[in-house]
Amino acid sequence: AQSVTQLGSHVSVSEGALVLLRCNYSSSVPPYLFWYVQYPNQGLQLLLKYTTGATLVKGINGFEAEFKKSETSFHLTKRSAHMSDAAEYFCAVSGAGNNRKLIWGLGTSLAVNP
Amino acid sequence: GAVVSQHPSWVICKSGTSVKIECRSLDFQATTMFWYRQFPKQSLMLMATSNEGSKATYEQGVEKDKFLINHASLTLSTLTVTSAHPEDSSFYICSASIPNKNIQYFGAGTRLSVL
Repeated sequence: AQSVTQLGSHVSVSEGALVLLRCNYSSSVPPYLFWYVQYPNQGLQLLLKYTTGATLVKGINGFEAEFKKSETSFHLTKRSAHMSDAAEYFCAVSGAGNNRKLIWGLGTSLAVNP
Repeated sequence: GAVVSQHPSWVICKSGTSVKIECRSLDFQATTMFWYRQFPKQSLMLMATSNEGSKATYEQGVEKDKFLINHASLTLSTLTVTSAHPEDSSFYICSASIPNKNIQYFGAGTRLSVL
């Protein structure tokens, strides 16, 4: 079985500050891990993913995440927050293989203050 | 690449009527599509997995006779909400998976309001 826990349903940062959104997972099989972003009234956009290989994954818009197996974590970071980063962020896990369904976290709402 | 189009983006209907939502993969063939429901300020709830040419696999608790899913081609899946009621009002999102890839690409969602 797999599950995802996103710590903090709401995170608020100042523009230019570091963004850290936490995601912990549990999985009985090697996980594939994903971060998606959702802007109001829109679908989801893939930010980045980890499947195999390098544990530090770089995504779009300056975001990156590091897979830490020992900590069962896949936290999302960005060095300098921008106003346009304000959105809902979802962490998800699936098993390896093709077309596997995603198990979703509850999401973290990021607010960026001027 | 990997664009998924969902239509309509917003629909209002009367209670008891049926509503069809379309999900199209525009620049790739999607053997698998997923349908989600999302309540305000909540995460996505997977409703069903749709495979081209076969019956959809519904998640536990989802009424297959109420939420009809058809995936007749490699680029189109439809979700029909039959005899809609106000409690069916929600944000419905589809996604499509590229064959042999474990990445889902999402449509922009459909907001359904049942009066």
